[in-house]
Amino acid sequence: QKEVEQNSGPLSVPEGAIASLNCTYSDRGSQSFFWYRQYSGKSPELIMFIYSNGDKEDGRFTAQLNKASQYVSLLIRDSQPSDSATYLCAVNGIGSNYQLIWGAGTKLIIKP
Amino acid sequence: DTEVTQTPKHLVMGMTNKKSLKCEQHMGHRAMYWYKQKAKKPPELMFVYSYEKLSINESVPSRFSPECPNSSLLNLHLHALQPEDSALYLCASSSATSTNTGELFFGEGSRLTVL
Repeated sequence: QKEVEQNSGPLSVPEGAIASLNCTYSDRGSQSFFWYRQYSGKSPELIMFIYSNGDKEDGRFTAQLNKASQYVSLLIRDSQPSDSATYLCAVNGIGSNYQLIWGAGTKLIIKP
Repeated sequence: DTEVTQTPKHLVMGMTNKKSLKCEQHMGHRAMYWYKQKAKKPPELMFVYSYEKLSINESVPSRFSPECPNSSLLNLHLHALQPEDSALYLCASSSATSTNTGELFFGEGSRLTVL
């Protein structure tokens, strides 16, 4: 059974601090890794994807991938109250082109 | 502005009704998806169309019937639903190339309530 694990939270972070969200996955053959943000009552929105080991930065967001340890993380620098949302980690692997395996999501709360 | 448009945004139906959810995308994507999402759960894949052909059916009950009339449109026909089918139904699209299929663009969703 392919699994993606996330801490459900809530993760509470002061405004301006770095929020660190983590995700582990069970299928060592996984190739592509995605972070979606979902505000309450809204649909998920893709914010980062990463395909290679290492870091990928986009504005205040950094995705980190470590395939040897089978984890992927999302860092949010200078956290803002508008970053408060649920963050979903999703993974697909070889032979699973259309079938993402989703984590349960981490609820992030940024406190002013 | 979202480039994946879903209608209606809200739908209330009885268990004997027939209704349809509609989705339209103008991103040139050749893969389109229906997901179901319950509160505090991740999205759950229902169907995938790739190049207008049904590619994946995740053992969804026959009371849900998908249709892809062309590369921009996706419908979900609903008949004889149960109260437990109440959920947010999400349409998404993506490129159909293997490295990009996880880069999903979601519509705003149709919130369905079955009485």
